[in-house]
Amino acid sequence: KAGVTQTPRYLIKTRGQQVTLSCSPISGHRSVSWYQQTPGQGLQFLFEYFSETQRNKGNFPGRFSGRQFSNSRSEMNVSTLELGDSALYLCASSLGTSDFRRDTQYFGPGTRLTVL
Amino acid sequence: DQQVKQNSPSLSVQEGRISILNCDYTNSMFDYFLWYKKYPAEGPTFLISISSIKDKNEDGRFTVFLNKSAKHLSLHIVPSQPGDSAVYFCAASADNDMRFGAGTRLTVKP
Repeated sequence: KAGVTQTPRYLIKTRGQQVTLSCSPISGHRSVSWYQQTPGQGLQFLFEYFSETQRNKGNFPGRFSGRQFSNSRSEMNVSTLELGDSALYLCASSLGTSDFRRDTQYFGPGTRLTVL
Repeated sequence: DQQVKQNSPSLSVQEGRISILNCDYTNSMFDYFLWYKKYPAEGPTFLISISSIKDKNEDGRFTVFLNKSAKHLSLHIVPSQPGDSAVYFCAASADNDMRFGAGTRLTVKP
C-alpha cells in the first residue's frame, strides 16, 4: 500500500505571494491533517479534513486554509506569505474515526517551504 | 505559547540501557497524549499513546507514563537499541486541538 505523498517537496516563494501544497492520503484513508514544523517549535496542528469538510482546526490565522476533494486528496493554501511561514509542512492521513486524535496517523515526507 | 514542552533537545544513551524522554504540558484540558518518532527526511511515525484515564501504557520495549497532577509524561525505552536513534515528539490533545513538543533527539551508542 502506497504511503502518504506530498507535492512539491521543496518550494521557494517571496513575501506576499500565495502557495498551494498538495497531499494524497493512503488509499482508504478519509481523514487528512496538516501540520507546520518550524525550528524550536516542533509540530503545530493546522487543521483536519474529513469527508471534504474541515472537522478540526488549530490556532492559525485565516491566511492558512485548506480543502479536501471527494477522493480524500487535500490541498493547503497559504496566502500573503510572511517570512515566518518558512517551515516544513506535513500532512498525515488516517482512517477517520469520530475522534481523529485516537487514529493512528501516517505522515508524509513534508513540503519544505522557504519564504524569501 | 508552548503548551507542550520537551526541555531536553537531545539525549545520548548506551545501547542496552534505558532511555527516558520527558514531556511537560500546561493545559489541564489535555486528555490524550502521544509519542511520535521521526527519522531524518521522513515524516513522524506514531509510536505509542495514552489516555488521561490511565497512568501507564506499554507496547513492547516502549512504555509511556502519565502523571496528571504534575502534568508530565515520559517515554521509557528498554533496552535501547541503535535503531532507536531518532527525534521523538510528544503530543497532547483536547477536543479539536493537538499540540506537539519541539522534540528530543535520541542517540543510542553501540
